[in-house]
Amino acid sequence: DGGITQSPKYLFRKEGQNVTLSCEQNLNHDAMYWYRQDPGQGLRLIYYSQIVNDFQKGDIAEGYSVSREKKESFPLTVTSAQKNPTAFYLCASSPPDRSYGYTFGSGTRLTVV
Amino acid sequence: GDSVTQMEGPVTLSEEAFLTINCTYTATGYPSLFWYVQYPGEGLQLLLKATKADDKGSNKGFEATYRKETTSFHLEKGSVQVSDSAVYFCALSDTYSSASKIIFGSGTRLSIRP
Repeated sequence: DGGITQSPKYLFRKEGQNVTLSCEQNLNHDAMYWYRQDPGQGLRLIYYSQIVNDFQKGDIAEGYSVSREKKESFPLTVTSAQKNPTAFYLCASSPPDRSYGYTFGSGTRLTVV
Repeated sequence: GDSVTQMEGPVTLSEEAFLTINCTYTATGYPSLFWYVQYPGEGLQLLLKATKADDKGSNKGFEATYRKETTSFHLEKGSVQVSDSAVYFCALSDTYSSASKIIFGSGTRLSIRP
């Protein structure tokens, strides 16, 4: 079955370390997205990519970086510059058809200690 | 730009009660409208959608009608169950940007008492 896989589900890192969250999809979707969700809060867009080798900043891109070398993969790096990295991170993908909506992964909960 | 406003939670109901979660939107064009559901510790799942005015989306006993005249897409269910406890997000496809982005509301937490 097609879908989006985020790994790992739980991630612990020490303060000051960079960490990379994985997102892979086999839906053949062109666009991919990264969101951050804090407890009891909504979704905030970090980065998105419409095509391979191209990506745009979302609303809260500072302290994060991404790459899109393959259509299937859109990894997110949380750098040491991100002041409050502890959060739930969600990856999503969509085809060009705006009426389709997003397909989400199951999320990665990052805890920085 | 486009935006979505949904009723604040938490909403607490007894089992078998009628549910309404209000959602209104602002859009310059003709967006598609969505309801997503998020169970604890999980990602969001598409619950239902409507792509044009007067369309009714439905799934798992939930319904929502695309009302262009009132710019609304309220979520309803006739008899809720404990298993419906989750966070519900109203959303629309961005008509302003060239990208195929979706704009989400802030979410409404629903708790159902046995």
